Amino acid sequence: EAQVTQNPRYLITVTGKKLTVTCSQNMNHEYMSWYRQDPGLGLRQIYYSMNVEVTDKGDVPEGYKVSRKEKRNFPLILESPSPNQTSLYFCASSLLAAKFMGYTFGSGTRLTVV
Amino acid sequence: LAKTTQPISMDSYEGQEVNITCSHNNIATNDYITWYQQFPSQGPRFIIQGYKTKVTNEVASLFIPADRKSSTLSLPRVSLSDTAVYYCLVENPGTYKYIFGTGTRLKVLA
Repeated sequence: EAQVTQNPRYLITVTGKKLTVTCSQNMNHEYMSWYRQDPGLGLRQIYYSMNVEVTDKGDVPEGYKVSRKEKRNFPLILESPSPNQTSLYFCASSLLAAKFMGYTFGSGTRLTVV
Repeated sequence: LAKTTQPISMDSYEGQEVNITCSHNNIATNDYITWYQQFPSQGPRFIIQGYKTKVTNEVASLFIPADRKSSTLSLPRVSLSDTAVYYCLVENPGTYKYIFGTGTRLKVLA
């Protein structure tokens, strides 16, 4: 089944403890992206990747890192999480980087930083 | 910078047609406009996309005027299961950043 898989679905962590949220897609998509969703603020783009080893900042990149060493994987790294990063995170992928054809989204990761 | 605006919420009754408009000035001239549906605690789900004029699929229609400064999602004969938040998605011109609209919470009443 074609899908975007995020793990974990739920995570509670403490301030400052490094964490990684994994994202994997099995559709050979070029473009991958991370969004966070907060009440009243909608979905905001954190980082995106046009292809392997090509990443760039979205609108809210502060406090996050990403990597794209393989086409299928696009992990989101929080080196030192803070409570303001408590949010619902979505990974998404799209077939072509040069011609956007719409996203396939993962099921989301609900992160709580205490 | 692309900027998008949608009505915050709408109510409708079962069986009615619902039209949700997204205003999006300054979008990329050669990219699709895409609409998504989201249920609580789920990822957004693709509904429809279009470039210009009118596009129709099995669940919705999308109307885009020639100036592409807005788009209207049309849901024919809504049911209770269409209660969700609906988002438009456009590209910030000259970038590969994709911006979601503010979202419209649709409530379908029996």
